[in-house]
Amino acid sequence: QKEVEQDPGPLSVPEGAIVSLNCTYSNSAFQYFMWYRQYSRKGPELLMYTYSSGNKEDGRFTAQVDKSSKYISLFIRDSQPSDSATYLCAMISGSARQLTFGSGTQLTVLP
Amino acid sequence: SAVISQKPSRDICQRGTSLTIQCQVDSQVTMMFWYRQQPGQSLTLIATANQGSEATYESGFVIDKFPISRPNLTFSTLTVSNMSPEDSSIYLCSATPPGSNTEAFFGQGTRLTVV
Repeated sequence: QKEVEQDPGPLSVPEGAIVSLNCTYSNSAFQYFMWYRQYSRKGPELLMYTYSSGNKEDGRFTAQVDKSSKYISLFIRDSQPSDSATYLCAMISGSARQLTFGSGTQLTVLP
Repeated sequence: SAVISQKPSRDICQRGTSLTIQCQVDSQVTMMFWYRQQPGQSLTLIATANQGSEATYESGFVIDKFPISRPNLTFSTLTVSNMSPEDSSIYLCSATPPGSNTEAFFGQGTRLTVV
């Protein structure tokens, strides 16, 4: 079993839809949770990160962490074609030096 | 945020040859990492590039195949040695700024095809 599981998709939605992207994990030591966006032929870029459980909002993006369920989510409101990319979740424990990544979900927002 | 420049951005190489990928960061960083990303797959950590000492390799990756240098706080190289078609992949450099192990930044990647 992988430490981090992420549905690879592909996920296709119409413009303006609410998108929900999710990851589950097995390592209870993870404390920091990140979402990266990767456009085609580009490196990943950090979108949001949260510490421990709770919600964090940044514009149209909301990150949610439920440590009791070992489940994290990224919500995208009013999705735009420019949101079309692969979204990778990543997480790390306080003592670790490197991130553990999910496999990524490919999202396409149709105009 | 740090800006990471990686070159070459892509290359097509003959099997049995070696390719060195360069990674330059525009500010001093604490940690530098090298990842491999197979098509449609997630990122697999190859090694942590340590400044002034030997890199720390992950399971399945060895120094003879992927020698890494990091002569200072802003520059690192990864060499893919004696290449085979199985080495065809995207190679990514990553770095974290001082005081953070969570905000990792990435270069644009090197798309390598071995024929």
